[in-house]
Amino acid sequence: GAVVSQHPSRVICKSGTSVKIECRSLDFQATTMFWYRQFPKQSLMLMATSNEGSKATYEQGVEKDKFLINHASLTLSTLTVTSAHPEDSSFYICSAQQYPGELFFGEGSRLTVL
Amino acid sequence: GIQVEQSPPDLILQEGANSTLRCNFSDSVNNLQWFHQNPWGQLINLFYIPSGTKQNGRLSATTVATERYSLLYISSSQTTDSGVYFCAVESAGGTSYGKLTFGQGTILTVHP
Repeated sequence: GAVVSQHPSRVICKSGTSVKIECRSLDFQATTMFWYRQFPKQSLMLMATSNEGSKATYEQGVEKDKFLINHASLTLSTLTVTSAHPEDSSFYICSAQQYPGELFFGEGSRLTVL
Repeated sequence: GIQVEQSPPDLILQEGANSTLRCNFSDSVNNLQWFHQNPWGQLINLFYIPSGTKQNGRLSATTVATERYSLLYISSSQTTDSGVYFCAVESAGGTSYGKLTFGQGTILTVHP
């Protein structure tokens, strides 16, 4: 199957700082990527759809100024958590698809805000 | 939006036992996938199965799209099968292209 890579896998930061997470499709081009969030012992919730060359589309309740998404190329999307606070601590995971068809997920990034 | 319900929420097995996990969904779907989330959080693709039946080793899956459910079968379970199993669907309606809605998962524990 297709490979989606995410970096970093773990990040610890101080409250008030910004953190950038990268999501790359390694062996295919993805015009659309998706960002999910998962709290401990819960399911995955879609945060936003990242579209190459255009603005991201955010799900209801997700603060677009808090979670900045940039889809700079057909193989790279980035999620920046701005002015992070402890409540932003979570597991963030991206996915990509060669539409239509199967979606593949990155390894995930565990963010801890102190 | 589309609703996805998985059952059972928890399942405890002895090694070697068989099990069936169920996923019900409330609307027509373009895509249905089964995942295994490992202890490090990574989602491992098990099946891409919007309809029909597929098998991969000890695992198999069946989706009956007209009746809006999918089943994941695990035979001769092993301790390494432990973890969380998710069903996720892409709604056929509206502008849901590529967006997956996840069920709450089934936590499987296999004892030696």
